[in-house]
Amino acid sequence: QSVLTQPPSVSAAPGQKVTISCSGRVSNIGNNFVCWYQQLPGAAPKLLIYDNKKRPSGIPDRFSGSKSGTSATLDISAVQPGDEADYYCATWDGSLSSGVFGGGTKLTVL
Amino acid sequence: EVHLLESGGVVVQPGETLRLSCAASGFTFDDYALHWVRQAPGKGLEWVSVTSWNGGLSYSADSVRGRFTISRDNTKNSLYLDMRSLRPEDTALYYCAKSRSDLLEGVDLDFWGQGTLVTVSS
Repeated sequence: QSVLTQPPSVSAAPGQKVTISCSGRVSNIGNNFVCWYQQLPGAAPKLLIYDNKKRPSGIPDRFSGSKSGTSATLDISAVQPGDEADYYCATWDGSLSSGVFGGGTKLTVL
Repeated sequence: EVHLLESGGVVVQPGETLRLSCAASGFTFDDYALHWVRQAPGKGLEWVSVTSWNGGLSYSADSVRGRFTISRDNTKNSLYLDMRSLRPEDTALYYCAKSRSDLLEGVDLDFWGQGTLVTVSS
């Protein structure tokens, strides 16, 4: 059971928009920055979003993040077949004094 | 170019001890906090531990606290994870990852290694 809650899977046709949610508590999402990772099959995770909504250099602006209260969202506009991967949210939990990840969401591009 | 290379993963029996290493290059090593994150086969990511830029402060997940110790040697640009009293549930691919900053309380990891596999089995 992960501290952060994500839907196990989402799907979309190419060109459509996908939204992945991440729900937590005041001690984690509520009081700390959220980041998002993409993990392609067989690869190490890749930072997509940090500080709730900032993109590292090289990440397309099709990927965007937001946070409100104790929830965060990753939006992928105009989904492409190459976006098929597992997506994880992550943040710090002040009560646990530890980093925490969501359980991951598998994106299937139809 | 930033490069992180983990090593030390092997098959061990329950209760045994193991040290993982991570050799870093391509950035100013002692400017950043460093993390270990693991992933059990077919499962999601689990944060394990973090150490500050100078190794003076660290945090660990409840699941490993008291059994795993994170450390670093800034003279060798290396990160370590000492693991004792290993359990079958510690079986995972262990990733070394670099923080975007020197802040401890964050999980924004901008570079990751390819991981080293630890298998705990009798």
